Amino acid sequence: ETGVTQTPRHLVMGMTNKKSLKCEQHLGHNAMYWYKQSAKKPLELMFVYSLEERVENNSVPSRFSPECPNSSHLFLHLHTLQPEDSALYLCASSQDPLALGTEAFFGQGTRLTVV
Amino acid sequence: GNSVTQMEGPVTLSEEAFLTINCTYTATGYPSLFWYVQYPGEGLQLLLKATKADDKGSNKGFEATYRKETTSFHLEKGSVQVSDSAVYFCALSKGDSGGSNYKLTFGKGTLLTVNP
Repeated sequence: ETGVTQTPRHLVMGMTNKKSLKCEQHLGHNAMYWYKQSAKKPLELMFVYSLEERVENNSVPSRFSPECPNSSHLFLHLHTLQPEDSALYLCASSQDPLALGTEAFFGQGTRLTVV
Repeated sequence: GNSVTQMEGPVTLSEEAFLTINCTYTATGYPSLFWYVQYPGEGLQLLLKATKADDKGSNKGFEATYRKETTSFHLEKGSVQVSDSAVYFCALSKGDSGGSNYKLTFGKGTLLTVNP
């Protein structure tokens, strides 16, 4: 149990669907992150939230829309995705994004397949 | 910008063999360095870290030393087990030029398979 829980674990969606990924952390952390993990590529940081405020948006297409209603929950809303968006989406949290050497705790990920 | 380069896999070893996975980085100043491990079907877990030059991180028999002069953080283990089979990621944490926002930059990962 890592303290970061992601649901669903697997998701198959069509290009016209709308779905949401959910992440919940029970660690009392102040920062949460979305990463995309594609085959043969480094992990890509998508979004960073600190104290429920978005502090980083790495040029992610608007078809990905994050939401952080409180410090324990993070969502990634998906709509009109493309097949190349198929990947493992990882949520992470940390005590504070501004502290050097801060460790990130990861969830198990959601394996997304866009058909 | 910041970057991490780690050896291409896959790496296949027999049980009790010695393991080295090379990692070098590019960053200004003094980043923190990490090794994360991802077991099949799981998310990433921190394996070890080092926050300043010459520090040695260690955990579960794995070690890595922060070498500023060679900008390296190679992962080693003296005797691997089948249960060590996983993907290993080297990463660094460094602030932006403004110094106020730290984020993790990962390498591509190295798949390790240990056979009995």
